[in-house]
Amino acid sequence: QVQLQESGPGLVKPSETLSLTCKVSGGSMPTYYWTWIRQPPGKGLEWIGYVFHNGNTNSNASLKSRVTISLDTSRSEFSLRLTSASAADTAVYYCARGRMMGFDYWGQGSLVTVSS
Amino acid sequence: QSALTQPASVSGSPGESVAISCAGTSSDVGAYDRVSWYQQHPGEAPQLVIYEATKRPSRVSNRFSGSKSGNTASLSISGLRAEDEADYYCCAYAGDYIWVFGGGTKLTVL
Repeated sequence: QVQLQESGPGLVKPSETLSLTCKVSGGSMPTYYWTWIRQPPGKGLEWIGYVFHNGNTNSNASLKSRVTISLDTSRSEFSLRLTSASAADTAVYYCARGRMMGFDYWGQGSLVTVSS
Repeated sequence: QSALTQPASVSGSPGESVAISCAGTSSDVGAYDRVSWYQQHPGEAPQLVIYEATKRPSRVSNRFSGSKSGNTASLSISGLRAEDEADYYCCAYAGDYIWVFGGGTKLTVL
């Protein structure tokens, strides 16, 4: 059974960098789009971006200048960095396993609050 | 890339059927059959219930079905049960390795 688990600071100061890591267990990393999705409190889901097993990445145009997604296959982990965080980035951040057909496994989510 | 359009809320009584629409464009929903639907209960992560517009993961009840016509996809739930009460999100592949979600629909079982 594939499992994903997010980890990282729950509180980030404005203008600082939001960093999260997703640990993947129970499955291999090749051929999937390892994806980050977020959900502001009381709002809908927003696709942030992915890293493919070969290291290729893509991200939401609205976040592209601030987002870096990377992969460490030796540790079965992938990571998200979002620079210049603001209150608008406060959300539950989910990591998920992506395929062209959709996202079939999700982490439980990690709430990140941007506040001083 | 704009979000897909879903009704904010739908409701139905136990045993009834409901449908949730997901309107996109000819660049996303209309261009590919890569539409997926997710069920999210409060405080939980979303779960995939439909993929490739009409296919259902083996663990998902056959009361859930999906369809697509033109630029609009739909999720139908038959024989409503109390446990179906949740938020539902559609998602579509929009080309160029970009995905877009709908705004979400709150299903209330009366």
